[in-house]
Amino acid sequence: EVQLVQSGAEVKKPGESLKISCKGSGYSFTSYWIVWVRQMPGKGLEWMGTIYPGDSDTRYSPSFQGQVTISADKSISTAYLQWSSLKASDTAMYYCARGVNPDSSGWYYWGQGTLVTVSS
Amino acid sequence: QSALTQPASVSGSPGQSITISCTGTSSDVGSYNLVSWYQQHPGKAPKLMIYEGSKRPSGVSNRFSGSKSGNTASLTISGLQAEDEADYHCCSYAGSSTYVFGTGTKVTVL
Repeated sequence: EVQLVQSGAEVKKPGESLKISCKGSGYSFTSYWIVWVRQMPGKGLEWMGTIYPGDSDTRYSPSFQGQVTISADKSISTAYLQWSSLKASDTAMYYCARGVNPDSSGWYYWGQGTLVTVSS
Repeated sequence: QSALTQPASVSGSPGQSITISCTGTSSDVGSYNLVSWYQQHPGKAPKLMIYEGSKRPSGVSNRFSGSKSGNTASLTISGLQAEDEADYHCCSYAGSSTYVFGTGTKVTVL
């Protein structure tokens, strides 16, 4: 069974750093792109970026380039999303997702989401 | 790279058909047949309903269908049911291995 399991909710202060994770299981982790999606409270979905764990090829939305870093450790089938200095506006639910098949843009499998709260 | 435009809300009675539009540009929706649609119930992760314009993943009801004309993609839900009440998000490939989501539509079953 394919699963994406994300790390737990985080409460941080502005200026702090953070790294959240997404662990894949039940499939070849290195063969599928993983995407990260942000959902701010009461708002729509936003595509942040994607990584191919096989070779760590990474792409970012222009809106998130330079604001976050996406990485992966294929040895433990885990993708990461990290911030070096959080802002209150980073408060949101963050989802990771994987495609229906290796070359598909339809994201069929989703993590349960990680809620990040940034508040002083 | 601006968000695709969706109506804020669409409503219909049980058994009716409704259509949700998703308007982009010639750089995203208009250039690729790579629009996907997601259903999201409150407090839940999104669920893929349509991908690559009109394909349904395993397990998704054939009451859901996707299409495209020019820069606008559409999701049609036929035989509307109470369980269809949710938020719906479209997403399109935007070139250079990037994607853009729509603004989201709240579907209400009257």
